[in-house]
Amino acid sequence: SQTIHQWPATLVQPVGSPLSLECTVEGTSNPNLYWYRQAAGRGLQLLFYSVGIGQISSEVPQNLSASRPQDRQFILSSKKLLLSDSGFYLCAWRRRGLNTGELFFGEGSRLTVL
Amino acid sequence: SQQGEEDPQALSIQEGENATMNCSYKTSINNLQWYRQNSGRGLVHLILIRSNEREKHSGRLRVTLDTSKKSSSLLITASRAADTASYFCATDAADYKLSFGAGTTVTVRA
Repeated sequence: SQTIHQWPATLVQPVGSPLSLECTVEGTSNPNLYWYRQAAGRGLQLLFYSVGIGQISSEVPQNLSASRPQDRQFILSSKKLLLSDSGFYLCAWRRRGLNTGELFFGEGSRLTVL
Repeated sequence: SQQGEEDPQALSIQEGENATMNCSYKTSINNLQWYRQNSGRGLVHLILIRSNEREKHSGRLRVTLDTSKKSSSLLITASRAADTASYFCATDAADYKLSFGAGTTVTVRA
């Protein structure tokens, strides 16, 4: 069966510090991978998605970047965090291709920037 | 940007009652999906309805889709305290992305 791991679950970082959130998927190959951000009490904003190794599409210009160094690994990074980067970050995967059905989400990483 | 918009934003019902929430969207879709999120957790997929379907059932869930009105509804029958969560609709258009609405927060009172 497929599983998705996301870490760390919680982190508190000072403004200007770097960020690295990691997500890995097990039990499937060539997944489409996604990073979403959820502000408190709000919906999900798509940040990045990837349809293959090294292929990253950015949805919103911002202080963040994403990388996919391996087929089932997706990393969200920042060189210098802003207060506005605080939020709940969710990694998700779905089967490769267009309109391939449901997204499978990780448990999320809650980031607080102080 | 968000494609779907849920209504109402929040809903409080008594255990055993039905809960209905609606989703409106703007552009053509291939399918529409509903997800559930317990507080502080990831989202869990509930049901998918394709653009050529009008109604779908899964257990106590009933989803309708009206593509002419660009709207969908999710009905939870005989609600339980464990149904307390936020519910999101997500639209799947002709690309790789799912666009989520802001969600409906459902509270089921015992």
